[in-house]
Amino acid sequence: RKEVEQDPGPFNVPEGATVAFNCTYSNSASQSFFWYRQDCRKEPKLLMSVYSSGNEDGRFTAQLNRASQYISLLIRDSKLSDSATYLCVVLSGNTGKLIFGQGTTLQVKP
Amino acid sequence: DAGITQSPRHKVTETGTPVTLRCHQTENHRYMYWYRQDPGHGLRLIHYSYGVKDTDKGEVSDGYSVSRSKTEDFLLTLESATSSQTSVYFCAISDLSGGSSSYNEQFFGPGTRLTVL
Repeated sequence: RKEVEQDPGPFNVPEGATVAFNCTYSNSASQSFFWYRQDCRKEPKLLMSVYSSGNEDGRFTAQLNRASQYISLLIRDSKLSDSATYLCVVLSGNTGKLIFGQGTTLQVKP
Repeated sequence: DAGITQSPRHKVTETGTPVTLRCHQTENHRYMYWYRQDPGHGLRLIHYSYGVKDTDKGEVSDGYSVSRSKTEDFLLTLESATSSQTSVYFCAISDLSGGSSSYNEQFFGPGTRLTVL
């Protein structure tokens, strides 16, 4: 079983839709959690960190459920420019290194 | 954008040949990483460095070696390339590592597409 698992999608949604991605992690000792965004054939970039209390950045909301060991990302009012792959990333409690999910692809259509 | 460059950006080589990829940073960050990205696997850590001449293995280090003789440069070497090493290679840097209260963002370079025939 992979340490971080995501549904690869693709998720195809119309502009203005709300879309949610989930990610599960297997190591309960995981310390920190993040969402990265990767555009096609580009490098990953940090989208937002995920805090236990949940956090919001504009149209993006991230939540963490430690008991169930999953992380979510909610995107409201989707824009064409949101089309990308979203990587769920966990800081391993064992190694202190980042563990990346394989990513969920979002395609927002006009 | 963080000052990270990778060279070459694209390379095609033949099985059995040595290949060296270079990562160069202008941020003076202590930590540097090499990842590979393959379909269905996401990014996997190959090797990392926590200072000049200080390196350690990651998840998929077999067949790779690294060197860091200067803060700004981190080299990844495939001693004898194999077709299974065809991949996109990303370098990343960070200022701090480990610990939820001290972790800082990792910044990635633009990537190197390597094809081993």
